[in-house]
Amino acid sequence: DAGVIQSPRHEVTEMGQEVTLRCKPISGHNSLFWYRQTMMRGLELLIYFNNNVPIDDSGMPEDRFSAKMPNASFSTLKIQPSEPRDSAVYFCASSLRDGYNEQFFGPGTRLTVL
Amino acid sequence: GDSVTQMEGPVTLSEEAFLTINCTYTATGYPSLFWYVQYPGEGLQLLLKATKADDKGSNKGFEATYRKETTSFHLEKGSVQVSDSAVYFCALGTALIFGKGTTLSVSS
Repeated sequence: DAGVIQSPRHEVTEMGQEVTLRCKPISGHNSLFWYRQTMMRGLELLIYFNNNVPIDDSGMPEDRFSAKMPNASFSTLKIQPSEPRDSAVYFCASSLRDGYNEQFFGPGTRLTVL
Repeated sequence: GDSVTQMEGPVTLSEEAFLTINCTYTATGYPSLFWYVQYPGEGLQLLLKATKADDKGSNKGFEATYRKETTSFHLEKGSVQVSDSAVYFCALGTALIFGKGTTLSVSS
């Protein structure tokens, strides 16, 4: 099993640039989650999908953030325009079914916005 | 709304010491409860879980019991090792609500 795959692993960009983070969930999983982790705020759920449909995006900080899941094997999290306060580690996770099953986390993308 | 309160860290212990990390929750209904562990530079991985009241989750010598009456899910280990040094997260619910994490450092 390849596990959850995230790319890139590290991203350094300048303020105002567009950033796209990518995630490939584990095959057969139908729930996908995006989290952000910072020292100040800890681990925060940004958005999650069931069967490719966004279920709860209340954690998305603002309109600069958007997430898509065009199919069961791929999701993106986009920040446009990026700001220094977006610097964080972004995790993607997937599970068989939300709530009762283990979530498998990817290795994360460390984003630095200068 | 639902929430998780986890004891503040860091926790510093000597090898073979007893570990307790407290976790209490507020939730509607009876959600599943989880403990995740994060090693440096890695994503979170499930350590153990419990899906109903009085369930005990266990793994790698760690245990936690789902206590409905005290709304708690405390993590325990009888004898910690240096390799247990990590950040531990208590979590609940459908789209996981996480505690802030407790950093454990174990010295030999």
